[in-house]
Amino acid sequence: QVQLVQSGAEVKKPGASVKVSCKASGYTFTSYYMHWVRQAPGQGLEWMGIINPSGGSTSYAQKLQGRVTMTRDTSTNTVYMELSSLRSEDTAVYYCARGGYINPSLDYWGQGTLVTVSS
Amino acid sequence: EIVLTQSPGTLSLSPGERATLSCRASQSVSSSYLAWYQQKPGQAPRLLIYGASSRATGIPDRFSGSGSGTDFTLTISRLEPEDFAVYYCQQYGSSPGFTFGPGTKVDIK
Repeated sequence: QVQLVQSGAEVKKPGASVKVSCKASGYTFTSYYMHWVRQAPGQGLEWMGIINPSGGSTSYAQKLQGRVTMTRDTSTNTVYMELSSLRSEDTAVYYCARGGYINPSLDYWGQGTLVTVSS
Repeated sequence: EIVLTQSPGTLSLSPGERATLSCRASQSVSSSYLAWYQQKPGQAPRLLIYGASSRATGIPDRFSGSGSGTDFTLTISRLEPEDFAVYYCQQYGSSPGFTFGPGTKVDIK
């Protein structure tokens, strides 16, 4: 069965960086895109960007350009999302979610990783 | 970037009633690229509908999607207790502008 397992909660100080991992299993890793979506406390969903695990190409939300980097490791079927220059507004639950090439809706989601930015 | 607006913000209904949720886009969205998700407190979102009207795997047939262009609708024919949640629409046809609507909360009247 398809599973996306994310790394654990993080607490970071303003200005620091955080790197969240998402390990995929149960399907061919390079046959689907991976998206990152975040949700601030009590707020809605915000799409952050997408990575193609096959070639590593990425596309990011304009709002996060320059601060977010998505990478992948095909040897471990893991994608990573690194966010730098953290500020309090980045406090959120971060989700990875699988999207298809032909049907790009997000059909499987990780369990979420809470990132708290606090001095 | 395409902006999605959902209405109402909150829908208060009783079990067994019909729920009609609206999603309006600031510009035309390909019907192939409109999805609906359900999210319960403390859980990740779950895909309900893709391609505006196709149910995802395992989704009960009381959930249906319709619409085209700029106006889309999610209908829950008869609310079950487990359907009280927040519902988001998402468009994914305008890369890199994958966007979500602000959500509609369906709560118990």
